[in-house]
Amino acid sequence: DAGVTQSPTHLIKTRGQQVTLRCSPKSGHDTVSWYQQALGQGPQFIFQYYEEEERQRGNFPDRFSGHQFPNYSSELNVNALLLGDSALYLCASSLPGGVAKNIQYFGAGTRLSVL
Amino acid sequence: ILNVEQSPQSLHVQEGDSTNFTCSFPSSNFYALHWYRWETAKSPEALFVMTLNGDEKKKGRISATLNTKEGYSYLYIKGSQPEDSATYLCAFSGGTSYGKLTFGQGTILTVHP
Repeated sequence: DAGVTQSPTHLIKTRGQQVTLRCSPKSGHDTVSWYQQALGQGPQFIFQYYEEEERQRGNFPDRFSGHQFPNYSSELNVNALLLGDSALYLCASSLPGGVAKNIQYFGAGTRLSVL
Repeated sequence: ILNVEQSPQSLHVQEGDSTNFTCSFPSSNFYALHWYRWETAKSPEALFVMTLNGDEKKKGRISATLNTKEGYSYLYIKGSQPEDSATYLCAFSGGTSYGKLTFGQGTILTVHP
C-alpha cells in the first residue's frame, strides 16, 4: 500500500511564475491538507480539501489555491511566485471525516526554490 | 494567533541517555495534540495523537503525557539510540473535529554513539 506521494520532489522557478504541486493520498483517505515549511520553522497550514471542496484555510494569500479531484488526489497552485515562497511543501492525508483526532500521514514533500 | 512552543530547540545526548522535550499550547478550545518524528529526507511520521487530559501514550522507548488544563505535553525517550536522531514536532488542533494542525518549530535531537 503506497503512502502519500508527492510530485515533483524538487522544483526551481523564477519570480512571477506559476507552479503546480501534486499529491496522491494514502489509499482509503479522503481528506488532504497542505502545509508550507520554511527554513527553521514548523509546518504552517495552507488549506484542507474534503469532498472536492476547500474546507478550511490558513493565513495564506489568494495566490495559493488548490483543487481536489474525485479520486481524492489534490493539487496546490501558487501564482505570481515570490522569493519568500521558497519552502518545503508537505501534503498530508487522513481517514474520512475528522482530521483532528485522526493520524495525518505525510508525504516527503516538494522542495520549491524561487530565484 | 495560536502559539505552539517547543523546547529546547535542539538537544545533543549520548547513546543510552534518557531525554525529554516540552510542547506548550493554548489550554482553551483544545481538541487534540499530535507528536511527529521527522528524520532528514523522509516524511514526518506520526507518533501519538492525544485527546484526553492526563493521557499517557507509549510506543517502545518513547512515551508522552498530556495536560490540557495547563497546556503542555512532554515527550520522553528512554535509553536514546543514534536512530532516534530526528526532529520531533508537536501539533495542536483546536475547535472543530476537522481543525487544522498548528505546529511548533520542533526539537532537533542528536544522539551521539
